[in-house]
Amino acid sequence: DIVMTQAPLSSPVTLGQPASISCRSSQSLVHSDGNTYLSWLQQRPGQPPRLLIYKISNRFSGVPDRFSGSGAGTDFTLKISRVEAEDVGVYYCMQSTQFLRTFGQGTKVEIK
Amino acid sequence: EVQLLESGGGLVQPGGSLRLSCAASGFTFSSYAMSWVRQAPGKGLEWVSIITGDDGSTYYADSVKGRFTISRDNSKNTLFLQMNSLRADDTAVYYCAKDYIVGPSAPPHFDYWGQGTLVTVSS
Repeated sequence: DIVMTQAPLSSPVTLGQPASISCRSSQSLVHSDGNTYLSWLQQRPGQPPRLLIYKISNRFSGVPDRFSGSGAGTDFTLKISRVEAEDVGVYYCMQSTQFLRTFGQGTKVEIK
Repeated sequence: EVQLLESGGGLVQPGGSLRLSCAASGFTFSSYAMSWVRQAPGKGLEWVSIITGDDGSTYYADSVKGRFTISRDNSKNTLFLQMNSLRADDTAVYYCAKDYIVGPSAPPHFDYWGQGTLVTVSS
């Protein structure tokens, strides 16, 4: 199985300041079809997960442009350009390149 | 509008069984793979199982292999998870999620999730 490792696991951020989360996979996430199925999800307290970014850098419908994704191969990053109060929650990277999908441990973003 | 609605959760004793359902609407259900994902209290997300849309192939996490069975009824747009030999560490909120579709456009995976159903395994 592919292991997804996130860092940091906790990220206290000042409102209006940027935040960055790293995700590393134990093997390449490039699929045989040429796509890299690395997604980022947000889970607000008491809510189901919500898709933010798919295929490394594509923002899902309705996601603010302060969220951006980057990376390639085995190293990926989610950036929030200016953190807002509504961004508090846990962020997960996940791979769906292999049928056995796997998630990172989650990174808790909170306001300082 | 895409909607996923899970049901069937509840309290069950260790060793018992439970069948979860996920009613889907707003998209061509039969064309999409569907996954189950669970979240133990205060813990992270754990993928459980997937069933493909084209040929109905199934895959499972090692933690549930041999105990859980995923299935689907495309005529009723419903996904199922049969859970047998339940253990305390199966206690979690179980989510169904819309997964992938075969084709050249490669639209997003896991773009829609249900609200979840709570399974509690305890004596």
